[in-house]
Amino acid sequence: DGGITQSPKYLFRKEGQNVTLSCEQNLNHDAMYWYRQDPGQGLRLIYYSQIVNDFQKGDIAEGYSVSREKKESFPLTVTSAQKNPTAFYLCASKEGRGPRETQYFGPGTRLLVL
Amino acid sequence: GQQLNQSPQSMFIQEGEDVSMNCTSSSIFNTWLWYKQDPGEGPVLLIALYKAGELTSNGRLTAQFGITRKDSFLNISASIPSDVGIYFCAGTAKTRTGGSQGNLIFGKGTKLSVKP
Repeated sequence: DGGITQSPKYLFRKEGQNVTLSCEQNLNHDAMYWYRQDPGQGLRLIYYSQIVNDFQKGDIAEGYSVSREKKESFPLTVTSAQKNPTAFYLCASKEGRGPRETQYFGPGTRLLVL
Repeated sequence: GQQLNQSPQSMFIQEGEDVSMNCTSSSIFNTWLWYKQDPGEGPVLLIALYKAGELTSNGRLTAQFGITRKDSFLNISASIPSDVGIYFCAGTAKTRTGGSQGNLIFGKGTKLSVKP
């Protein structure tokens, strides 16, 4: 089955700890994205990558880091510098270019602080 | 940054009722996408619109790309209990040269709940 997988479903972070959220896609999409969702809010862009070995900061990149060593994988690290990490994190990948682009989402990872 | 105004913020549905929601922007958009999100899950794409005036259906759902290219509408006919959830609109803004500017911009969602 083609799709986007995120793991784990739930993640607990201790004070001062870095944690990494996994995102894998087998859709052969070039572009991948990480969003943060807080209750009652829309999606806010953390980082995105248009191609392997390249990524750009989104609107709320502070306290987060990413890598894109393989086309299929775009892991997100929530660092200790992110003071309010509790949120629902969504990974997406993009099909198409220009005006016909469409993003598809993974099932999400909920991050909670202990 | 750019924002989309999605309304209503929330609404209650009774089984069998028709539902309408819309999204407006301050600038012209090239793409409008409608997603549904169930609690604890990722958004699922319902309908994608790429052309002004385009009207597209997906079962009981119908969405339209507004003629002004600054709005989009989603209608659900004969609602059923599994329609509850949060519906998001998203789109890409048009640049001066006609291409798409930046990344997807999202509305804050319309929450559909069942009437008590």
